[in-house]
Amino acid sequence: SQQGEEDPQALSIQEGENATMNCSYKTSINNLQWYRQNSGRGLVHLILIRSNEREKHSGRLRVTLDTSKKSSSLLITASRAADTASYFCATDADSWGKLQFGAGTQVVVTP
Amino acid sequence: SQTIHQWPATLVQPVGSPLSLECTVEGTSNPNLYWYRQAAGRGLQLLFYSVGIGQISSEVPQNLSASRPQDRQFILSSKKLLLSDSGFYLCAWAGVFYGYTFGSGTRLTVV
Repeated sequence: SQQGEEDPQALSIQEGENATMNCSYKTSINNLQWYRQNSGRGLVHLILIRSNEREKHSGRLRVTLDTSKKSSSLLITASRAADTASYFCATDADSWGKLQFGAGTQVVVTP
Repeated sequence: SQTIHQWPATLVQPVGSPLSLECTVEGTSNPNLYWYRQAAGRGLQLLFYSVGIGQISSEVPQNLSASRPQDRQFILSSKKLLLSDSGFYLCAWAGVFYGYTFGSGTRLTVV
């Protein structure tokens, strides 16, 4: 079963704009991770935020985590055409490192 | 540095034929390894995970099996493929602090 649910399912923006996507989950977690997938490729790890962290930055990425609401957001600032991809949140909720993925947000950035 | 190799990249197999997908990891020892399947336009479904040689846990009852004959080798198999086995199969290993590293995936089409 899928733990995370991303919103929106699809997002279309122009270069230079910010892209925000949200993730909600159902159970307590150890950490939450965001991944990017270009069409037909494997997933690439973007950022990991632990359950005791509220915000994390990596380059143009900003992730927030609200464990009381069981939700997270990923913000991509100053988007580029190369950011066109699907973005997935994944939750790590047990001691085996198993990740539960959401269905993803498909982001299209037009020049 | 750690790398993960997965092959083949694409595979077209007839119904009822056997399957063997291989995944190998370099640059790390005793990794946790995972097989996921992704249906078109969907998130990832965890199929199997392994925390050591010969230790396989199945998440979903299905027509597939997994084996780990060596520390850094993880194999996904089927004796007789079904149409419903079609999908994008991804192997991954878990880093301790930085999430998963995924292989490039195998696109399996059962005809």
